[in-house]
Amino acid sequence: DIVMTQSPDSLAVSLGDRATINCKSSRSVLYSSNNKNYLAWYQQKPGQPPQLLIYWASTRESGVPDRFSGSGSGTDFTLTISSLQAEDVAVYYCQQYFGTPFTFGPGTKVDVK
Amino acid sequence: QVQLVESGGGFVQPGGSLRLSCAASGFMFGGYYMTWIRQAPGKGLECVSFIGGSGTPEYYADSVKGRFTISRDNAKNSLFLQMNSLRAEDTAVYYCARHSVIVGGHYFDYWGQGTLVTVSS
Repeated sequence: DIVMTQSPDSLAVSLGDRATINCKSSRSVLYSSNNKNYLAWYQQKPGQPPQLLIYWASTRESGVPDRFSGSGSGTDFTLTISSLQAEDVAVYYCQQYFGTPFTFGPGTKVDVK
Repeated sequence: QVQLVESGGGFVQPGGSLRLSCAASGFMFGGYYMTWIRQAPGKGLECVSFIGGSGTPEYYADSVKGRFTISRDNAKNSLFLQMNSLRAEDTAVYYCARHSVIVGGHYFDYWGQGTLVTVSS
């Protein structure tokens, strides 16, 4: 199985500041034949299901604010919130879909400082 | 618009059974892989089982293999999860989710609100 890890476990950022979340996979999730990274990011607010933010490591889902961006390749990925808003308080998960079982990271909780 | 509505959760004793349902609307159901993902209280996310648009392939996590069965009725736009021999560790919110339509794009673009399964004596 591909094991996903995230860091930090939690972070508190002032409104308007940048938040950076890291995700690492135990094996590369880059498929060489199409040069795509099989990595997605989700946001989960309390009491709600997760919501897709980013797929193919850096493609923003329709309707997702452009302050959210994804980067990275191979085994190391980053989700960046460029200017934290109050509504961004949530837990963020990365997920690999390179191979089964599709696995999620343990989550990173983002709060306002 | 796309809607996924789960039902069938509840309280069951260890060894018991439950059948979860997910009613889909707003999209061509039979054209999509569908999955069940669970989240234990205060914990992370686990893909439990998925099924192809036509009913194959099927996938099961090792933790549920031999106990859970996924199925779908494309005529009724419905997804099911038959859960037998339930254990305390199966306690979780179970989400129904849609895979992306993109070939190989097994990320989840729509999720239901979830249904809570509690296994306890």
